This record gives sequence, C-alpha cells and structure tokens, in this order.
Amino acid sequence: GAGVSQTPSNKVTEKGKYVELRCDPISGHTALYWYRQSLGQGPEFLIYFQGTGAADDSGLPNDRFFAVRPEGSVSTLKIQRTERGDSAVYLCASSLGGMSNSPLHFGNGTRLTVT
Amino acid sequence: AQTVTQSQPEMSVQEAETVTLSCTYDTSESDYYLFWYKQPPSRQMILVIRQEAYKQQNATENRFSVNFQKAAKSFSLKISDSQLGDAAMYFCAYKRGGTASKLTFGTGTRLQVTL
Repeated sequence: GAGVSQTPSNKVTEKGKYVELRCDPISGHTALYWYRQSLGQGPEFLIYFQGTGAADDSGLPNDRFFAVRPEGSVSTLKIQRTERGDSAVYLCASSLGGMSNSPLHFGNGTRLTVT
Repeated sequence: AQTVTQSQPEMSVQEAETVTLSCTYDTSESDYYLFWYKQPPSRQMILVIRQEAYKQQNATENRFSVNFQKAAKSFSLKISDSQLGDAAMYFCAYKRGGTASKLTFGTGTRLQVTL
C-alpha cells in the first residue's frame, strides 16, 4: 500500500509569506506527527494528532505555526509570516492506533526554504 | 525531560566489517521504547530496530542488533557485514510507554561505508 505522502517535496518562499505543507498518512492510521529537521540535526517534534484533535502541540515554536487535521486523515501544517529561521525539512509520520509501541512511518518530508 | 545523546557525528566502516554506533539517553520513566532509524539522502526515516525497555533480551534484525544496557541508559547499534547501502544518517530515538507519545531523537551519526 501507499506510504505517507508529503506535498510539496520542496517549497521556496519569501520572508513574510504564508505557506501550507500537506501530509497524507497511511490509510487507517489514527496517529499523525509533524517534525522539523534543521540541517545537521535530528528531527524535532512539533505536534501530534490522535484522530482529529491535537493530543500534544508542545513542540510548536510560536503562534506562527498551526496544524489541522479536520477529518482525521490529511493534515496541513501552516506557517504564517515565514522567517529565514523556518527553513528546514518538515517531516510527517503516522502510526496505527494509540499505543506507544506502534512504529512511526515517515514521509519523505518537505524541504522549506525561506529567502 | 527525556534527552537522547549520540556522541559520534561521523563513523566509517569498510564493507563487510562490523561497526557500532553509540547512543545514551536520560529518562525517569520505567516504561519506554528505544529505536534506531536510518535516514538516506531521500530524507525518509526508516525504522531499523526497536527495543522495549521491559525486555532484557537484546533485539536483532538480520545484520542489525542492539546492546541495551538499561542501568547505564545505553543503547548501541551494531551493524554486521556492512554493505554500501548501509551508508546513511542513523538516529537513535526514545518514546515513552503507555499511550502514544512523541519520539525524541538524537542528533544523528553519519555512517560512511568504504570499499
């Protein structure tokens, strides 16, 4: 079956613009995660959804970042008034169910470049 | 807060040889999971191996095995019979037990495989 799909693969935007990054999880996976990976670093947790609701948004760096998952499948990460420091690879992952031992399946990420 | 430390930014191994990647972690939890993920240039994080903290037996997956030392909070990855395709970034990750929660990643080790 299809894996986690993230679009676009690459996004270049100007400082101050608004961007949306999309994640299409594996069908039937109720848990969805967003991570940010800066160059040379490990992925940094942003937000986790269980179904439609954000179960943990403690990793969102500030109020310019927001994510939704209105129907419990596709999720969109939204970044307002982008800054050069937002440049990174944004990774999405999904897992089956709510148990901690369910492995995460990652997408190929969206590379965001803010000029 | 949980932290994961990978003290080897880069490692190199000859094809067919064995290499060990180090990872230490810090937690006050008793129920948790540890993971090694591989990230090739495609950016997709691929699960290599998983260890449940309550299991004393070290996990193995074909050429990949771990040395889990719970008291020392150490979780190293051994790759035997290294292959060119093993070249990638390797990330150690921690996840608290119970209901689903976020993965906390280390900073990664870049593994080079030489002929």
